[in-house]
Amino acid sequence: AAGVIQSPRHLIKEKRETATLKCYPIPRHDTVYWYQQGPGQDPQFLISFYEKMQSDKGSIPDRFSAQQFSDYHSELNMSSLELGDSALYFCASSLRNEKLFFGSGTQLSVL
Amino acid sequence: GESVGLHLPTLSVQEGDNSIINCAYSNSASDYFIWYKQESGKGPQFIIDIRSNMDKRQGQRVTVLLNKTVKHLSLQIAATQPGDSAVYFCAENIPGGGNKLTFGTGTQLKVEL
Repeated sequence: AAGVIQSPRHLIKEKRETATLKCYPIPRHDTVYWYQQGPGQDPQFLISFYEKMQSDKGSIPDRFSAQQFSDYHSELNMSSLELGDSALYFCASSLRNEKLFFGSGTQLSVL
Repeated sequence: GESVGLHLPTLSVQEGDNSIINCAYSNSASDYFIWYKQESGKGPQFIIDIRSNMDKRQGQRVTVLLNKTVKHLSLQIAATQPGDSAVYFCAENIPGGGNKLTFGTGTQLKVEL
């Protein structure tokens, strides 16, 4: 069965650079969620989209933005990267309010 | 989730024993709870869920117990196997909060041979 696809798998950036993370939800899923997980920490909700509209917002910095496109894939754009942005970034998808399925994540390292 | 250098609680069990992982959730209004398993370098994997109108639910080798009085959730794994070694998170869904999940502190399960 198709799962949530995230790219890239690993990303290394310098401070103050920008990064774009991509998420392709499970086919027919209409909702995507972004989570950030620091080392040894639990995943923290960043933002979610339902039918291409932002549906909820969590602890997402103003330097970050995201959108969901017409094909339901989503991108998380991160600017002015800081050392503290180094983390695993997970995308999850669901069909409306049903169960969330997570991707394998993008490991972002900011040097 | 705000602590720096957080050390996850660790549970070590012998292969074949039963494991019990506990979780205290934060919001008494939460109506849906999920247990996820996360292996190193991978995303959280769904294990089992339970709604607030239930106090117990069983799956294959796993049982979730919900005690709403003390806001406590537990995951029981029967006959623990080496492949069960992972970090386990409970997550709660608060009504009116969309479908986003709030994760609790994970527990590292180590299965000793």
